[in-house]
Amino acid sequence: QKEVEQNSGPLSVPEGAIASLNCTYSDRGSQSFFWYRQYSGKSPELIMSIYSNGDKEDGRFTAQLNKASQYVSLLIRDSQPSDSATYLCALLRSGYSTLTFGKGTMLLVSP
Amino acid sequence: GAVVSQHPSRVICKSGTSVKIECRSLDFQATTMFWYRQFPKQSLMLMATSNEGSKATYEQGVEKDKFLINHASLTLSTLTVTSAHPEDSSFYICSATDRLSSYNSPLHFGNGTRLTVT
Repeated sequence: QKEVEQNSGPLSVPEGAIASLNCTYSDRGSQSFFWYRQYSGKSPELIMSIYSNGDKEDGRFTAQLNKASQYVSLLIRDSQPSDSATYLCALLRSGYSTLTFGKGTMLLVSP
Repeated sequence: GAVVSQHPSRVICKSGTSVKIECRSLDFQATTMFWYRQFPKQSLMLMATSNEGSKATYEQGVEKDKFLINHASLTLSTLTVTSAHPEDSSFYICSATDRLSSYNSPLHFGNGTRLTVT
């Protein structure tokens, strides 16, 4: 099993809908989880970070973490065409000082 | 917020030449900087971890003699791709952590350097 798994997509949603992006991981000792957004040809930018089980909301974004099931998700409400990008799930594994990234899920929001 | 500046943003060079990429933390001191490489439609792959004043730690499969990393100060790290070949063409991205932040603080990324070797 890969350390961080994401569906590559593309995930297509209409404008105004909720986009749900999922990520599973293999290392149960993983401590910190991050969602990055990456536009084509650009470097990643941090969207959300989450460290404990449950939901964390920031504007239109909600991160959800379930350590028992080893998954983390990102919900984007009222999706906009400008949200179209690749979303990278990243985590800090136990005993590591660097982040491990998933391959990302491409999101396409159609007007 | 924390800003990481990377230069150049784009470079085209001939095979066999060397290319230097700079990564600067503009408003914070970065004890650790990371260098990533990303091929088209692939994820970020960590190449090396650079600590100020010490030798870089390279990931398995990354040639340290080909990818020279210098982290001379708390705000500057450089990556030099020596004797570049077409297969080195990629998107190189640096990132840094703020020494004042906790160990699990998120990374701040530079804007990346698109390297094309002809």
